Amino acid sequence: EAQVTQNPRYLITVTGKKLTVTCSQNMNHEYMSWYRQDPGLGLRQIYYSMNVEVTDKGDVPEGYKVSRKEKRNFPLILESPSPNQTSLYFCASSLNERDNSYEQYFGPGTRLTVT
Amino acid sequence: ELKVEQNPLFLSMQEGKNYTIYCNYSTTSDRLYWYRQDPGKSLESLFVLLSNGAVKQEGRLMASLDTKARLSTLHITAAVHDLSATYFCAVDEGTYKYIFGTGTRLKVLA
Repeated sequence: EAQVTQNPRYLITVTGKKLTVTCSQNMNHEYMSWYRQDPGLGLRQIYYSMNVEVTDKGDVPEGYKVSRKEKRNFPLILESPSPNQTSLYFCASSLNERDNSYEQYFGPGTRLTVT
Repeated sequence: ELKVEQNPLFLSMQEGKNYTIYCNYSTTSDRLYWYRQDPGKSLESLFVLLSNGAVKQEGRLMASLDTKARLSTLHITAAVHDLSATYFCAVDEGTYKYIFGTGTRLKVLA
């Protein structure tokens, strides 16, 4: 089954304790992206990646890191989480524009609470 | 800075009625997307509109794109309860940066 998976789905942590949220897709997509969703703000892009070893900042990259060492994986790293990073996080993937396909497929979401 | 505005933000409508959700964006783009999100769930792609004048229909939903007016519409025909969800439009700046609207929460009343 074609899908984007995220782990963990729920996480409660404390300020300053490093954490990683994993994202993996099995559709051989080149493009992957991370978003956070907050009430009244819609989805805001954190980081995106056009291919392996190619990443760039979205609108709200502060406090986050990413890496793309393999095509299928795109982990989101919070080196020192703070309460303002409490949010619902989504990973998404799509083929790139060479294939004329821009539709993003979203993972199930990770609800993060930082106390 | 690209901005995407949706209206209305909340919409409560009776079953069987028609309504339109509007998505305005602030810069030139010919790629616009509509997504649906059910409560507590992820986002599901509804429509991908890739050129001026594009129109797509799926069931009771029809989306259109006017790039000159920087406007997309999502029209709901004869609403049913199953269409209750939050609908997002998103615009692609052309550099793999996607900007989402704040969403329209639709509630269809029986």
